[in-house]
Amino acid sequence: EAGVAQSPRYKIIEKRQSVAFWCNPISGHATLYWYQQILGQGPKLLIQFQNNGVVDDSQLPKDRFSAERLKGVDSTLKIQPAKLEDSAVYLCASSSTGSAKNIQYFGAGTRLSVL
Amino acid sequence: GIQVEQSPPDLILQEGANSTLRCNFSDSVNNLQWFHQNPWGQLINLFYIPSGTKQNGRLSATTVATERYSLLYISSSQTTDSGVYFCAVARSNDYKLSFGAGTTVTVRA
Repeated sequence: EAGVAQSPRYKIIEKRQSVAFWCNPISGHATLYWYQQILGQGPKLLIQFQNNGVVDDSQLPKDRFSAERLKGVDSTLKIQPAKLEDSAVYLCASSSTGSAKNIQYFGAGTRLSVL
Repeated sequence: GIQVEQSPPDLILQEGANSTLRCNFSDSVNNLQWFHQNPWGQLINLFYIPSGTKQNGRLSATTVATERYSLLYISSSQTTDSGVYFCAVARSNDYKLSFGAGTTVTVRA
């Protein structure tokens, strides 16, 4: 069974530029999550999708971050414009249900450096 | 939100040694997962263990939900065990995984 796929693996941009990350969840998983992991910290949830609807985006900085999950499968996370403090690893995860008992599986992440 | 504390923050082991990592959490949970983040950043699922005891090879985990803690045991450590170990929990009425700050394990040959 293929895992969660993410691309690109690395991205270097200058501040005020825009960037987009892509995620393909495990086949059949209805729930998709985006996390931000700053160096030295645990991942922090940014947004959760159930199929193609947003369940929780309370921690998403909506003035610069946006995410979508068209057709309830792949998802993209965009930052526009980027700030220095957005330098982090962006992790995508998926699970087969949206309940609290779900097991989340993570992709390899995209490491973003904002200069 | 729910607080998750992991200890120790850093652990240096000689190959072949045993160790115990601890995760304390501040509220009732019905989801607790242990992950290993390898040097390339990949989060690998180790255990889904909201209660009870599980074993997988040289790794085992125990969660005492009533006392709000979980332990991860590494036996006969190998250099490939190096990395950061995270504990993550979710409340009974929530879906969000809240992560601890992790324990960085370094196994020396």
